[in-house]
Amino acid sequence: AAGVIQSPRHLIKEKRETATLKCYPIPRHDTVYWYQQGPGQDPQFLISFYEKMQSDKGSIPDRFSAQQFSDYHSELNMSSLELGDSALYFCASSSGLAGGPGNEQFFGPGTRLTVL
Amino acid sequence: KQEVTQIPAALSVPEGENLVLNCSFTDSAIYNLQWFRQDPGKGLTSLLLIQSSQREQTSGRLNASLDKSSGRSTLYIAASQPGDSATYLCAVRWRSNFGNEKLTFGTGTRLTIIP
Repeated sequence: AAGVIQSPRHLIKEKRETATLKCYPIPRHDTVYWYQQGPGQDPQFLISFYEKMQSDKGSIPDRFSAQQFSDYHSELNMSSLELGDSALYFCASSSGLAGGPGNEQFFGPGTRLTVL
Repeated sequence: KQEVTQIPAALSVPEGENLVLNCSFTDSAIYNLQWFRQDPGKGLTSLLLIQSSQREQTSGRLNASLDKSSGRSTLYIAASQPGDSATYLCAVRWRSNFGNEKLTFGTGTRLTIIP
């Protein structure tokens, strides 16, 4: 079965540079979630999209932005990168409201971002 | 606000032993609870998902229980193997006061199985 795809899997950037992470949800999933997991930390919710509209916002810095496109893939744009942005970034997808409340989120393998 | 706690933070047991990992949450109005496994620097592998109406789920040597009223879940691992060494995370799906569904993770238990 197709899973959530994230690219790139690894990314190395310098401080103050910009990074773009991509997420391709499971086919027919209409909701995408982004999480950030710092070293030794639990994943923290950043932002989510349902049917291409932002549905919820967590602890996402103002330097970050995200969107969901017509094919339901999502991109997380990170500008003015800081050392503290080094983390594992997960994307998850679900069938959103169509799947009923509390339906499962399926996680991608993550993108490891290292800021030097 | 939902808070999820996992105790202990780290656990080491000899190979072959049975063990229990604990997860507690503060708001019992949840949709479901999920257990994940995470190897160092790797992604999240979903192990078991328990809906709020269920009391337990089993998969192979794993058994997860849920006591929603007391805000607790346990993950039981039978006949532990070195390959079980990883960090185990529980995550609770719940609805916020603003009507948004949220997934909140616990801080994890780092499990080491000693050969």
